[in-house]
Amino acid sequence: DGGITQSPKYLFRKEGQNVTLSCEQNLNHDAMYWYRQDPGQGLRLIYYSQIVNDFQKGDIAEGYSVSREKKESFPLTVTSAQKNPTAFYLCASTPGRMPTEAFFGQGTRLTVV
Amino acid sequence: AQKITQTQPGMFVQEKEAVTLDCTYDTSDQSYGLFWYKQPSSGEMIFLIYQGSYDEQNATEGRYSLNFQKARKSANLVISASQLGDSAMYFCAMRVSGNTPLVFGKGTRLSVIA
Repeated sequence: DGGITQSPKYLFRKEGQNVTLSCEQNLNHDAMYWYRQDPGQGLRLIYYSQIVNDFQKGDIAEGYSVSREKKESFPLTVTSAQKNPTAFYLCASTPGRMPTEAFFGQGTRLTVV
Repeated sequence: AQKITQTQPGMFVQEKEAVTLDCTYDTSDQSYGLFWYKQPSSGEMIFLIYQGSYDEQNATEGRYSLNFQKARKSANLVISASQLGDSAMYFCAMRVSGNTPLVFGKGTRLSVIA
């Protein structure tokens, strides 16, 4: 079955450590996105990539980094510079230039202690 | 830049009744799409319905319909015959043409009462 896989589902890290969240899709979608969701809030865009080896900052990119070396993969690193990293992270992808819906992974809940 | 506004943080509805969730949007683009997603407590994002800016008919998908009023820039979601399983967060979102990111509103938490 085609879809987006995020791993792990739950992640605990100590303050000051970098952590990488995985996002893999087998939908052959060109564009991929990372969103952050805080309790009771909407989704805010961290980074997105419309093509391999290219990506753009979203609204809240500070303290995060990404790479897009393969079409299928768009990992997100939460660095120690991110002041409040505890949140729910969602990865999404879209197939093309038409305004079709985005397909989402199951999310990763990151808790920094 | 695009903006989505959902003014209802929480809504209650009796089982089997209809409910309308409000959404207004702002964009200077002529070509755009409007979306509604449901997010249950598990956190997954479930796509419900889509409306294109050039679509003349309001979109419908089963119990979901989208009341699209272009001049007012509103795209309200109507859920008919509410069920207990409809209790969730609901997000309105939009994309403009091109492979651009979805922009989300803050969401509305719907609670269905038996």
